[in-house]
Amino acid sequence: KNQVEQSPQSLIILEGKNCTLQCNYTVSPFSNLRWYKQDTGRGPVSLTIMTFSENTKSNGRYTATLDADTKQSSLHITASQLSDSASYICVVSEGRPNFVFGPGTRLSVLP
Amino acid sequence: NAGVTQTPKFQVLKTGQSMTLQCAQDMNHEYMSWYRQDPGMGLRLIHYSVGAGITDQGEVPNGYNVSRSTTEDFPLRLLSAAPSQTSVYFCASTGGNSPLHFGNGTRLTVT
Repeated sequence: KNQVEQSPQSLIILEGKNCTLQCNYTVSPFSNLRWYKQDTGRGPVSLTIMTFSENTKSNGRYTATLDADTKQSSLHITASQLSDSASYICVVSEGRPNFVFGPGTRLSVLP
Repeated sequence: NAGVTQTPKFQVLKTGQSMTLQCAQDMNHEYMSWYRQDPGMGLRLIHYSVGAGITDQGEVPNGYNVSRSTTEDFPLRLLSAAPSQTSVYFCASTGGNSPLHFGNGTRLTVT
């Protein structure tokens, strides 16, 4: 069964620190992988997209990596800010309409 | 651009009542979809549409109906609400190579 797993389930860090969130997937065929940020009470918003041939992509302080061989992705957040407090969701696409969502990692950044 | 607009933001229903969740997008996206988000689980696809007049079932369609008479609108109808339908509902749209664009959700409680 196509699945996306994320770890950790939740994470607490101090403002200014770095952190890395993990995503493992078993989705096949693979079209792309996106990381979304979901603020409390809002819908998810796309941060990055990775296709099969890409292994690193940055968006400001967010850097996503993809290892298509091991079916793993990570999202690294540098110099965290209070506004980074949110859930981060890994979504793997087989191609529309088949998007498989991970359960998310809840990040809390404390001052 | 307003993006994806969902109404209402909150709704409380009694078991057996019916209601319609509204979703509208102004990006001329051909693909629209409805998801439910429950604690500890990834978003699950209820119904989707690849264009006006075309709809199909997702992973958890039971108890829900949809229609797509225009490109812009994709309402979700609960026929006879049950406590198991207590959840947060998100509408999303996409077109071309864009990511899914989500509304800000409807929080539904069925008592």
